[in-house]
Amino acid sequence: GDKVKQSPSALSLQEGTNSALRCNFSIAATTVQWFLQNPRGSLINLFYLVPGTKENGRLKSAFDSKESYSTLHIRDAQLEDSGTYFCAACNNNNAPRFGAGTKLSVKP
Amino acid sequence: GGIITQTPKFLIGQEGQKLTLKCQQNFNHDTMYWYRQDSGKGLRLIYYSITENDLQKGDLSEGYDASREKKSSFSLTVTSAQKNEMAVFLCASSPGLGENTLYFGAGTRLSVL
Repeated sequence: GDKVKQSPSALSLQEGTNSALRCNFSIAATTVQWFLQNPRGSLINLFYLVPGTKENGRLKSAFDSKESYSTLHIRDAQLEDSGTYFCAACNNNNAPRFGAGTKLSVKP
Repeated sequence: GGIITQTPKFLIGQEGQKLTLKCQQNFNHDTMYWYRQDSGKGLRLIYYSITENDLQKGDLSEGYDASREKKSSFSLTVTSAQKNEMAVFLCASSPGLGENTLYFGAGTRLSVL
């Protein structure tokens, strides 16, 4: 089965609202990365995490290795936040595995 | 900073054809990866190379070969293109397997006629 499961698969937000995306792992992840794939297909690095939290502007991410999940919180969603968000998890002995993504649409 | 360059950007092949995709990085990273992305889907790991001359199979290696010619380059060969091989192939690199912040190229879009 899938090693990395993302939820929800799709999300529609009103501009200015908040939401959270989730990533659950069936592997013993030691690091997590979050990416945004923009409509042109480019993958933009958002966060690289060991267990703990990081914040960057309107984005905040947390990684709990014991409970095997990570979250990405988006505050005050803007139109340019639209795209597909991917998480990727790995342990030290293996290459990163990706989830299927959450497609986010932010509407005015 | 550095950059990952994938060539070609677009590749059109015939069913049964052998096709090669190339990737170059100037980050001086040890580890390189090939992922495949089908339309509307996530990324699936094909091959990766921990360091020069190393090759590791991913989850989707059947039907592909890979070659790490030198530290800066990693190529992927589709051994026999299939009608359902219409996807974007993404190359990435990271400092090492344990320091695995991934940096991606822009991708090669493959279409098989």
